[in-house]
This record gives sequence, C-alpha cells and structure tokens, in this order.
Amino acid sequence: SYELTQPPSVSVSPGQTASITCSGDKLGDKYACWYQQKPGQSPVLVIYQDSKRPSGIPERFSGSNSGNTATLTISGTQAMDEADYYCQAWDSSTGIFGTGTKVTVL
Amino acid sequence: EVQLVESGGGLVQPGRSLRLSCAASGFTFDDYAMHWVRQAPGKGLEWVSGISWNSGSIGYADSVKGRFTISRDNAKNSLYLQMNSLRAEDTALYYCAKDSRLDYYDSSGYFEIWGQGTMVTVSS
Repeated sequence: SYELTQPPSVSVSPGQTASITCSGDKLGDKYACWYQQKPGQSPVLVIYQDSKRPSGIPERFSGSNSGNTATLTISGTQAMDEADYYCQAWDSSTGIFGTGTKVTVL
Repeated sequence: EVQLVESGGGLVQPGRSLRLSCAASGFTFDDYAMHWVRQAPGKGLEWVSGISWNSGSIGYADSVKGRFTISRDNAKNSLYLQMNSLRAEDTALYYCAKDSRLDYYDSSGYFEIWGQGTMVTVSS
C-alpha cells in the first residue's frame, strides 16, 4: 500500500524558515496538500494542489511537489505556527495521510 | 458560515455497532463529496471513507472495509457512518470532512472543511 513519510519533528527559531518534507513513491505525479492541526483542534487546510493557499492562510505558507517529495515551507515562522502538520495525497481512490510532523518554534 | 457537526459517538463494547451522523450547513451539500477521517488518541490522521455527491462512488480504507458503511441523505444535508463489528483499534475521534469536488476519488480533491469530531471508544 502507498505510504507518505514525514520527519517526526522539526524545530525552528521565530522568524526563521521551517521546511517539512513528505516522501512517497512518485509523489510528484500526484497532487499533495497539507493540513495544520493545533492541540485540541480540528485540522485546517493550509496548502492544496501542491502549492495553492486557501483564502485566509498567510502568505508565509508555501508548497512544492516534485519527484518523490512534497515540501511545506513556512517563512518567517511565528509562535502561532507551532502545530502538527500532515501531508495528504490520493492513491488508487484511497486517501493517504503522511505520518505527521510536529513543528516546534523555539 | 460553512459548518459540519458530528454526533453519535460514545462508548461501545467490542463487536457492537454504532452510527455516526454529520449535519452540514452553509453550503450546497449535494454539490460536494464527503468523507470520514479518524484520529486515534495521540496518533495521526487516517482516512476512513468517502462518498461522491450522488452516492454513485464510495470508497473505504482497508482497515474498515466490510465493517463500515458510509451513506448520505442530500435532502437532509447529512452524512452517516454505520460502524459494525467494532474493535478496540477503531477507538478514535471521527471527523466529518467536506471535499472540494463532486467525486470523492478525484485526485485533485482535498478536505476543505472539517467538523469538530465525535469520539468513539470501543472497550468492554
């Protein structure tokens, strides 16, 4: 079955750039999206179709997808960005989530 | 305001059944596919099932196939998940999620809006 692998954790200093990777076989041939989940809250879509931002999502969130890796980049990271992040794609009509990455803003 | 409100969760014994509901408002329900996604305590997200706008296409995760049944009533703006033969590993917070497209299997689709979830605990 198809799998998406993320690093368990990423640490970043306020104002710096955080990059979260999502790896899967030929992931670049699929659309990837990203969800942010803060403690005790429901997930929120932050990137869809590889690099598009929903309305209301700050410009500091961006995405890319090529080869076997999709990347979520948070530029000028703020304390409020501390959360769990999940990538997601579709494979054979099945929704696949990544393993999740905890972003800590130190 | 777009809103999804789940209900029907609770404590249930292994082997028993439970039916979850999701009430949708603030958008044209029958213009979109819908999904159930779950999250076990302290764990990641897992897609459970999806259904197209007209119930014409339905899909399940292997972990629930043959035990869970997704359905929708467009006249009532509601989504359902019938869960049979429940196991301890089905214990999770179950979210209802609105797709961005008509068909659940559209690979360009994504989970646009999420409900607050309803907790299901399977234990004797």
